[in-house]
Amino acid sequence: EAGVVQSPRYKIIEKKQPVAFWCNPISGHNTLYWYLQNLGQGPELLIRYENEEAVDDSQLPKDRFSAERLKGVDSTLKIQPAELGDSAVYLCASSTPGDYQFGDTQYFGPGTRLTVL
Amino acid sequence: AQKVTQAQTEISVVEKEDVTLDCVYETRDTTYYLFWYKQPPSGELVFLIRRNSFDEQNEISGRYSWNFQKSTSSFNFTITASQVVDSAVYFCALSDFDNNAGNMLTFGGGTRLMVKP
Repeated sequence: EAGVVQSPRYKIIEKKQPVAFWCNPISGHNTLYWYLQNLGQGPELLIRYENEEAVDDSQLPKDRFSAERLKGVDSTLKIQPAELGDSAVYLCASSTPGDYQFGDTQYFGPGTRLTVL
Repeated sequence: AQKVTQAQTEISVVEKEDVTLDCVYETRDTTYYLFWYKQPPSGELVFLIRRNSFDEQNEISGRYSWNFQKSTSSFNFTITASQVVDSAVYFCALSDFDNNAGNMLTFGGGTRLMVKP
């Protein structure tokens, strides 16, 4: 079974430029997550989708960040315009609804490492 | 609010030594789930184990073992006879339960394990 796919793996841009990241979740996984991971820290949730609906986007900086998940499968995360502080790894994860005994387990993609110059 | 603390930021051991990674968590939920992930230099977060709050049985998988103690809010991870390939950053994470939906993971800051030959 294919894992979570993300592209590009690396992206270098100048500040004020736009950038977009793409994620293809594991087949059949209804829930999709975008996390931000700063250097030396654990990931932090940006947004969570249940199918095509964004159900938790409280941590997404909406002035410059946007996301979409058309048709409830692939997702795109965009930053416009990018700032120096946006340099980080952007991780995508997916999961299926959990049950009471096991909860839901999130499986992560390799991430996109963004460098803003 | 949920919180996960990994007090050890970096651990260095020599191959074949046993090593324990500590994880302490805080939550007000009565039902919750604990996870360990491994992040090798390639960057992808690899799921290792999950444990629910009502099952305090310890678990062993090969050289890996996990000790869950609800009384001290800890979920520690031990690697027996460490190997160079175990070198990575290890994250402990916590989530609550939402029936038929995914949940945000709260991650600790990670512990960087370096196993020297």
